Amino acid sequence: AQKVTQAQTEISVVEKEDVTLDCVYETRDTTYYLFWYKQPPSGELVFLIRRNSFDEQNEISGRYSWNFQKSTSSFNFTITASQVVDSAVYFCALSEAIGNYGGATNKLIFGTGTLLAVQP
Amino acid sequence: DTGVSQDPRHKITKRGQNVTFRCDPISEHNRLYWYRQTLGQGPEFLTYFQNEAQLEKSRLLSDRFSAERPKGSFSTLEIQRTEQGDSAMYLCASSDSGGEETQYFGPGTRLLVL
Repeated sequence: AQKVTQAQTEISVVEKEDVTLDCVYETRDTTYYLFWYKQPPSGELVFLIRRNSFDEQNEISGRYSWNFQKSTSSFNFTITASQVVDSAVYFCALSEAIGNYGGATNKLIFGTGTLLAVQP
Repeated sequence: DTGVSQDPRHKITKRGQNVTFRCDPISEHNRLYWYRQTLGQGPEFLTYFQNEAQLEKSRLLSDRFSAERPKGSFSTLEIQRTEQGDSAMYLCASSDSGGEETQYFGPGTRLLVL
Protein backbone atom coordinates (compact mmCIF):
# COMPACT_ATOMS: atom_id res chain seq x y z
CA ALA A 1 0.00 0.00 0.00
CA GLN A 2 1.06 3.58 -0.54
CA LYS A 3 2.55 5.11 2.55
CA VAL A 4 4.49 8.18 3.60
CA THR A 5 6.52 8.27 6.79
CA GLN A 6 7.74 11.44 8.43
CA ALA A 7 9.54 10.11 11.46
CA GLN A 8 10.34 13.53 12.93
CA THR A 9 7.29 14.73 14.83
CA GLU A 10 8.79 18.00 16.03
CA ILE A 11 12.02 19.85 15.34
CA SER A 12 13.19 22.97 17.14
CA VAL A 13 16.06 25.07 15.81
CA VAL A 14 17.46 28.50 16.40
CA GLU A 15 17.20 31.07 13.64
CA LYS A 16 19.90 30.81 10.95
CA GLU A 17 20.45 27.11 11.57
CA ASP A 18 20.01 24.69 8.70
CA VAL A 19 17.37 22.00 9.14
CA THR A 20 16.46 18.88 7.18
CA LEU A 21 13.02 17.31 7.22
CA ASP A 22 12.94 13.63 6.36
CA CYS A 23 10.39 11.83 4.19
CA VAL A 24 10.35 8.14 3.30
CA TYR A 25 7.69 6.67 1.06
CA GLU A 26 6.39 3.30 -0.11
CA THR A 27 4.65 2.76 -3.42
CA ARG A 28 3.95 -0.02 -5.86
CA ASP A 29 3.62 2.42 -8.76
CA THR A 30 6.44 2.93 -11.26
CA THR A 31 5.30 6.45 -12.03
CA TYR A 32 4.39 8.77 -9.21
CA TYR A 33 4.79 12.27 -7.86
CA LEU A 34 6.12 13.53 -4.57
CA PHE A 35 5.14 16.80 -2.95
CA TRP A 36 5.96 19.02 -0.02
CA TYR A 37 3.36 21.33 1.49
CA LYS A 38 3.69 23.87 4.30
CA GLN A 39 0.85 24.41 6.79
CA PRO A 40 1.23 27.55 8.89
CA PRO A 41 -0.96 28.10 11.98
CA SER A 42 -3.68 29.63 9.76
CA GLY A 43 -4.32 26.14 8.42
CA GLU A 44 -3.96 26.58 4.67
CA LEU A 45 -1.74 24.06 2.91
CA VAL A 46 0.81 25.90 0.79
CA PHE A 47 2.33 24.04 -2.14
CA LEU A 48 6.13 24.04 -2.14
CA ILE A 49 7.32 21.51 -4.70
CA ARG A 50 6.25 18.65 -6.98
CA ARG A 51 8.74 16.05 -8.16
CA ASN A 52 8.23 13.43 -10.87
CA SER A 53 9.54 9.95 -10.08
CA PHE A 54 11.61 10.01 -13.26
CA ASP A 55 13.45 13.14 -12.25
CA GLU A 56 15.99 12.51 -9.52
CA GLN A 57 17.75 15.80 -10.00
CA ASN A 58 17.97 17.75 -6.78
CA GLU A 59 16.26 21.12 -6.74
CA ILE A 60 17.09 24.38 -5.04
CA SER A 61 14.75 27.33 -4.65
CA GLY A 62 16.19 30.14 -2.58
CA ARG A 63 16.75 28.80 0.92
CA TYR A 64 14.88 25.59 0.15
CA SER A 65 16.39 22.47 -1.38
CA TRP A 66 15.10 18.97 -1.98
CA ASN A 67 17.00 15.70 -2.23
CA PHE A 68 15.17 12.89 -4.03
CA GLN A 69 16.77 9.44 -3.82
CA LYS A 70 14.77 6.71 -5.47
CA SER A 71 17.16 4.00 -4.24
CA THR A 72 16.22 4.75 -0.63
CA SER A 73 12.65 5.96 -1.36
CA SER A 74 13.37 9.27 0.28
CA PHE A 75 12.50 12.85 -0.55
CA ASN A 76 14.12 15.08 2.06
CA PHE A 77 13.66 18.82 2.41
CA THR A 78 16.35 21.20 3.69
CA ILE A 79 15.86 24.78 4.79
CA THR A 80 19.09 26.75 4.87
CA ALA A 81 19.50 29.65 7.30
CA SER A 82 16.08 29.11 8.86
CA GLN A 83 13.88 32.04 9.80
CA VAL A 84 11.07 32.45 12.30
CA VAL A 85 8.61 32.67 9.41
CA ASP A 86 9.53 29.10 8.48
CA SER A 87 7.77 27.87 11.61
CA ALA A 88 4.95 25.60 10.44
CA VAL A 89 3.95 22.00 9.96
CA TYR A 90 5.50 20.52 6.83
CA PHE A 91 3.86 17.63 5.01
CA CYS A 92 5.34 15.26 2.49
CA ALA A 93 2.84 13.64 0.13
CA LEU A 94 2.80 10.87 -2.47
CA SER A 95 0.43 10.58 -5.40
CA GLU A 96 -1.79 7.56 -5.91
CA ALA A 97 -3.63 7.12 -9.18
CA ILE A 98 -7.44 7.20 -9.05
CA GLY A 99 -10.20 7.36 -11.64
CA ASN A 100 -9.82 6.06 -15.15
CA TYR A 101 -9.69 7.09 -18.78
CA GLY A 102 -10.37 10.80 -19.18
CA GLY A 103 -11.03 11.21 -15.48
CA ALA A 104 -7.79 9.69 -14.23
CA THR A 105 -5.95 11.81 -11.72
CA ASN A 106 -4.12 11.39 -8.44
CA LYS A 107 -5.10 11.61 -4.81
CA LEU A 108 -2.48 12.58 -2.29
CA ILE A 109 -1.28 10.32 0.51
CA PHE A 110 0.14 12.52 3.25
CA GLY A 111 2.57 11.80 6.03
CA THR A 112 1.77 12.86 9.57
CA GLY A 113 3.79 16.04 9.21
CA THR A 114 6.77 17.57 10.99
CA LEU A 115 6.26 20.59 13.22
CA LEU A 116 9.17 22.96 12.75
CA ALA A 117 9.70 25.62 15.38
CA VAL A 118 12.32 28.25 14.61
CA GLN A 119 13.31 30.22 17.68
CA PRO A 120 14.60 33.79 17.35
CA ASP B 1 -5.29 35.30 -9.53
CA THR B 2 -7.79 34.08 -6.95
CA GLY B 3 -6.95 30.94 -5.01
CA VAL B 4 -9.25 28.29 -3.62
CA SER B 5 -11.77 29.72 -1.17
CA GLN B 6 -13.87 27.93 1.43
CA ASP B 7 -16.82 29.02 3.49
CA PRO B 8 -17.32 29.08 6.40
CA ARG B 9 -13.85 29.07 7.93
CA HIS B 10 -15.17 27.83 11.25
CA LYS B 11 -18.32 25.99 12.24
CA ILE B 12 -19.51 24.90 15.66
CA THR B 13 -22.55 22.67 15.76
CA LYS B 14 -24.36 20.34 18.10
CA ARG B 15 -24.35 16.62 17.61
CA GLY B 16 -27.14 15.52 15.32
CA GLN B 17 -27.31 18.72 13.31
CA ASN B 18 -26.61 18.95 9.58
CA VAL B 19 -23.83 21.16 8.23
CA THR B 20 -22.85 22.23 4.74
CA PHE B 21 -19.53 23.60 3.55
CA ARG B 22 -18.77 25.35 0.30
CA CYS B 23 -15.62 25.34 -1.84
CA ASP B 24 -14.86 27.63 -4.77
CA PRO B 25 -11.91 26.30 -6.79
CA ILE B 26 -9.43 28.25 -8.87
CA SER B 27 -11.54 29.37 -11.81
CA GLU B 28 -9.77 27.51 -14.62
CA HIS B 29 -9.45 24.24 -12.67
CA ASN B 30 -11.87 21.47 -13.62
CA ARG B 31 -10.78 19.03 -10.89
CA LEU B 32 -11.86 19.42 -7.29
CA TYR B 33 -10.94 17.35 -4.23
CA TRP B 34 -12.12 17.15 -0.63
CA TYR B 35 -9.84 16.03 2.20
CA ARG B 36 -10.32 15.73 5.95
CA GLN B 37 -7.61 16.45 8.50
CA THR B 38 -7.83 15.52 12.15
CA LEU B 39 -5.57 16.90 14.85
CA GLY B 40 -1.97 15.79 14.51
CA GLN B 41 -2.56 13.96 11.25
CA GLY B 42 -2.06 14.66 7.59
CA PRO B 43 -5.06 15.25 5.34
CA GLU B 44 -6.96 12.20 4.12
CA PHE B 45 -8.69 12.01 0.76
CA LEU B 46 -12.50 11.98 0.76
CA THR B 47 -13.72 12.51 -2.79
CA TYR B 48 -12.89 13.88 -6.25
CA PHE B 49 -14.83 15.64 -9.00
CA GLN B 50 -13.96 16.23 -12.61
CA ASN B 51 -16.30 18.97 -13.75
CA GLU B 52 -19.68 17.96 -12.28
CA ALA B 53 -18.98 14.22 -12.15
CA GLN B 54 -17.99 12.64 -8.84
CA LEU B 55 -15.46 10.05 -10.00
CA GLU B 56 -13.97 8.73 -6.77
CA LYS B 57 -15.13 8.35 -3.18
CA SER B 58 -13.12 7.13 -0.23
CA ARG B 59 -14.49 4.56 2.18
CA LEU B 60 -14.08 7.37 4.74
CA LEU B 61 -17.08 9.03 3.13
CA SER B 62 -19.89 7.42 5.09
CA ASP B 63 -23.57 7.55 4.11
CA ARG B 64 -23.95 10.69 6.21
CA PHE B 65 -21.61 12.57 3.89
CA SER B 66 -22.63 13.84 0.48
CA ALA B 67 -20.75 16.06 -1.93
CA GLU B 68 -21.96 17.82 -5.04
CA ARG B 69 -20.60 20.00 -7.78
CA PRO B 70 -23.75 20.76 -9.76
CA LYS B 71 -22.40 23.09 -12.43
CA GLY B 72 -18.80 22.04 -12.43
CA SER B 73 -17.73 25.14 -10.55
CA PHE B 74 -18.21 25.38 -6.76
CA SER B 75 -18.75 22.30 -4.63
CA THR B 76 -20.61 21.60 -1.40
CA LEU B 77 -19.93 18.98 1.24
CA GLU B 78 -22.83 18.14 3.53
CA ILE B 79 -22.64 16.12 6.72
CA GLN B 80 -25.96 14.89 8.08
CA ARG B 81 -26.57 13.97 11.71
CA THR B 82 -23.12 15.12 12.78
CA GLU B 83 -21.18 13.12 15.35
CA GLN B 84 -18.35 14.24 17.60
CA GLY B 85 -15.97 12.15 15.49
CA ASP B 86 -16.71 14.42 12.54
CA SER B 87 -14.80 17.23 14.23
CA ALA B 88 -11.92 18.00 11.88
CA MET B 89 -10.57 20.42 9.32
CA TYR B 90 -12.21 19.94 5.92
CA LEU B 91 -9.92 20.97 3.10
CA CYS B 92 -10.77 21.55 -0.52
CA ALA B 93 -8.23 21.51 -3.34
CA SER B 94 -8.37 22.04 -7.08
CA SER B 95 -6.17 21.24 -10.05
CA ASP B 96 -6.28 21.45 -13.79
CA SER B 97 -6.15 18.46 -16.12
CA GLY B 98 -3.49 19.75 -18.45
CA GLY B 99 -0.62 17.70 -17.06
CA GLU B 100 0.42 19.91 -14.15
CA GLU B 101 -2.19 18.45 -11.79
CA THR B 102 -0.69 20.01 -8.71
CA GLN B 103 -3.43 20.34 -6.10
CA TYR B 104 -3.81 23.80 -4.61
CA PHE B 105 -5.59 23.93 -1.29
CA GLY B 106 -8.02 26.34 0.28
CA PRO B 107 -7.87 27.60 3.87
CA GLY B 108 -10.16 24.86 5.13
CA THR B 109 -13.31 24.76 7.24
CA ARG B 110 -12.71 23.82 10.85
CA LEU B 111 -15.68 21.90 12.23
CA LEU B 112 -16.33 21.34 15.92
CA VAL B 113 -19.20 19.07 16.91
CA LEU B 114 -20.27 19.46 20.53
